[in-house]
Amino acid sequence: DTGVSQDPRHKITKRGQNVTFRCDPISEHNRLYWYRQTLGQGPEFLTYFQNEAQLEKSRLLSDRFSAERPKGSFSTLEIQRTEQGDSAMYLCASGLQGGFTEAFFGQGTRLTVV
Amino acid sequence: TQLLEQSPQFLSIQEGENLTVYCNSSSVFSSLQWYRQEPGEGPVLLVTVVTGGEVKKLKRLTFQFGDARKDSSLHITAAQPGDTGLYLCAGPAGGSQGNLIFGKGTKLSVKP
Repeated sequence: DTGVSQDPRHKITKRGQNVTFRCDPISEHNRLYWYRQTLGQGPEFLTYFQNEAQLEKSRLLSDRFSAERPKGSFSTLEIQRTEQGDSAMYLCASGLQGGFTEAFFGQGTRLTVV
Repeated sequence: TQLLEQSPQFLSIQEGENLTVYCNSSSVFSSLQWYRQEPGEGPVLLVTVVTGGEVKKLKRLTFQFGDARKDSSLHITAAQPGDTGLYLCAGPAGGSQGNLIFGKGTKLSVKP
């Protein structure tokens, strides 16, 4: 296993379009996290799954954002009706339950909304 | 609201110099983590500190967790250009099992 994989690495979309990102976690990890990072800021928590259950969502996550993790394996993050403010790096991470919430990050998906 | 404040925000030094960056909070954290992030890439976990007063060493990097578990520091000895990057500290949000709070980071540039 080579680590957390995210696809695509880069996405440019027009305002109002829907986009979907995919994350494949480290295979033995049962937790999967989504974060967003804008320029000059640290990553900001969006949501996390334990197996297939979505256990926590940030209050900052608007209803245009939805995440799924069918069968507790890969995860998708969809943004509907994108806005320019959604432009950011979207980071996926995985980890193990019972640890110190340590997160192993993928390379991220850079979203640009024009 | 739990916040992690990192200082300095930017640091530019010459190869071979020593440096220390800081991560401070008014809140107690059960553990703190340090990550290094390069441009266009995701953060890479360097270390987790869990006990107040703990010191961990990773080659030329020394991490310390404050006695009260409200602060941490990262000291780099004889910095090298390969140490260039954004250093982030993070800790679990109170009452959460999966939410990590990150500081804004210290952007380090080591010039040859």
